[in-house]
Amino acid sequence: GIQVEQSPPDLILQEGANSTLRCNFSDSVNNLQWFHQNPWGQLINLFYIPSGTKQNGRLSATTVATERYSLLYISSSQTTDSGVYFCAVGGKGGSEKLVFGKGMKLTVNP
Amino acid sequence: EPEVTQTPSHQVTQMGQEVILRCVPISNHLYFYWYRQILGQKVEFLVSFYNNEISEKSEIFDDQFSVERPDGSNFTLKIRSTKLEDSAMYFCASSETRDRKYFGPGTRLTVL
Repeated sequence: GIQVEQSPPDLILQEGANSTLRCNFSDSVNNLQWFHQNPWGQLINLFYIPSGTKQNGRLSATTVATERYSLLYISSSQTTDSGVYFCAVGGKGGSEKLVFGKGMKLTVNP
Repeated sequence: EPEVTQTPSHQVTQMGQEVILRCVPISNHLYFYWYRQILGQKVEFLVSFYNNEISEKSEIFDDQFSVERPDGSNFTLKIRSTKLEDSAMYFCASSETRDRKYFGPGTRLTVL
């Protein structure tokens, strides 16, 4: 099945810093989504981005489908950005399921 | 933005008991899913459901699990006889077109 690799696995930042999270995937996809899991375990939908670039406030994402990667940018980070960020992809083989990466734990210190 | 809701937010049960986790998908969505996340691990697919049938399931989704859409608004996951290893966050998701999935906030299941 499709493989999803996220990097870096952990990141510690000072408030106000910028960061880039990367997601590599092993096959063509028809779905790619980014999620933020907050300290209470809730999954927050960030982006649906199988290709192209989107922005939402301080967050933006870019997916280059032909090169099989996606990037999530967080600018001017805040302590509330702390948590785990997941990339999840859906392959083109007819399966509907999303395959999640292992996640990236972000800690933003005041 | 429309939301998927799940109840309860936290369920505690004794080993061997049956539990039903409930979800209200977004109203015009036709495709429904359950995912599971064991503490500290990645989120895993359990099952997809469309037109009152299971369309795909993972190896995790064995005979102890079942899903149902009992009415026009709810989507449920039943675990018949819970085990300690069923302790996890369970996420419901729905989709209008099988592409973008909208996830609910999750139900934390603790089996004692």
